[in-house]
Amino acid sequence: GAGVSQTPSNKVTEKGKYVELRCDPISGHTALYWYRQSLGQGPEFLIYFQGTGAADDSGLPNDRFFAVRPEGSVSTLKIQRTERGDSAVYLCASSPSPLSPIADTQYFGPGTRLTVL
Amino acid sequence: QQQVKQSPQSLIVQKGGIPIINCAYENTAFDYFPWYQQFPGKGPALLIAIRPDVSEKKEGRFTISFNKSAKQFSLHIMDSQPGDSATYFCAASSGTYKYIFGTGTRLKVLA
Repeated sequence: GAGVSQTPSNKVTEKGKYVELRCDPISGHTALYWYRQSLGQGPEFLIYFQGTGAADDSGLPNDRFFAVRPEGSVSTLKIQRTERGDSAVYLCASSPSPLSPIADTQYFGPGTRLTVL
Repeated sequence: QQQVKQSPQSLIVQKGGIPIINCAYENTAFDYFPWYQQFPGKGPALLIAIRPDVSEKKEGRFTISFNKSAKQFSLHIMDSQPGDSATYFCAASSGTYKYIFGTGTRLKVLA
């Protein structure tokens, strides 16, 4: 596709359940980022992949959160034992190769709105 | 050190006015400063970005002014239109790396 896509667009779950959020980056983009945006706030960094490996996962709030990118393209953010405080919009972004002149530019998807009841 | 402070929190202008949104940072390692526009229910969309080696950049009706010594940068929207009503975020990054976002400015342009 032309842009970053995320599925599902909305996810409602119950406290304690497990959820998976998917991100399809722009084709050819090597870097992928996950951010979390709470209501009325700016996006907050969670994790950054360069290729298949997590180059920086310092933003993950605790060990209930985990993300993978096994083939260097699609990524899945996984949240175990969800809590009400996990409710937020989860945004994914991608950017081109570090060798690209626009490597700094991140292109965002529409987000997944997660609601934990 | 990692924070980016953004002001004002909200802004109302008349159509044709020039809203100005300001951001300040502390980390001198930041070398890329983008501005994003976000409509309700949508992801942030890149508007314009600047690097510290220039003091001003214009793209259409959007202008970034950058003051390296003061560690501040601002977004000006010329001839603002009701369709510009959205939330605007500044951000900063160091290299090809994570963005640190400001807290956002909710802009309303009155018709």
